[in-house]
Amino acid sequence: DTAVSQTPKYLVTQMGNDKSIKCEQNLGHDTMYWYKQDSKKFLKIMFSYNNKELIINETVPNRFSPKSPDKAHLNLHINSLELGDSAVYFCASSQGTGRPREQYFGPGTRLTVT
Amino acid sequence: DAKTTQPTSMDCAEGRAANLPCNHSTISGNEYVYWYRQIHSQGPQYIIHGLKNNETNEMASLIITEDRKSSTLILPHATLRDTAVYYCIVRVRSAGGTSYGKLTFGQGTILTVHP
Repeated sequence: DTAVSQTPKYLVTQMGNDKSIKCEQNLGHDTMYWYKQDSKKFLKIMFSYNNKELIINETVPNRFSPKSPDKAHLNLHINSLELGDSAVYFCASSQGTGRPREQYFGPGTRLTVT
Repeated sequence: DAKTTQPTSMDCAEGRAANLPCNHSTISGNEYVYWYRQIHSQGPQYIIHGLKNNETNEMASLIITEDRKSSTLILPHATLRDTAVYYCIVRVRSAGGTSYGKLTFGQGTILTVHP
């Protein structure tokens, strides 16, 4: 009965490769997010989708492209991976109507670029 | 969103109440106070939120001062499993716009509960 799930949990790859991280939520939420937590443990939002529409796009390199095939899924594709992309990536979801609602986070995907 | 200030770290004895302060002196009337925590190697977990009244749920209590410039998260009976980084976040109330849904995490407070 996992609420927000991510795959894979760990991802080790070489510089220059292209990789994807998948996220699924079974909470019936209409808003999903990607956050990045770097080695200094700062957690920053990258993207947010509401009803499959991009509504938040922080200053993230174009190599990062989120895709939301439906409200329950938000995938993150990263092209030409760089060493600085190594981090833990968290997916989250919330019910977006009305006042701000609490966000539910996935377990994270630890990406290591070598 | 208003900036928050939290102590870097705190200790608490198991079974005692843990009181985590947060200063948000520039908070505006349309901003909520949210608390999340992150246990090591896990995703952040929502704890509680409030606007101006004190709030309580099964996890914690949130006390917001009358002028709303500070708040305290109270874990009434801390356990070892409550050891985590606790984040106090102030967020706009209204929906819509490019900042909608955005949570801005600071450094948080590292709470260590010891036996």
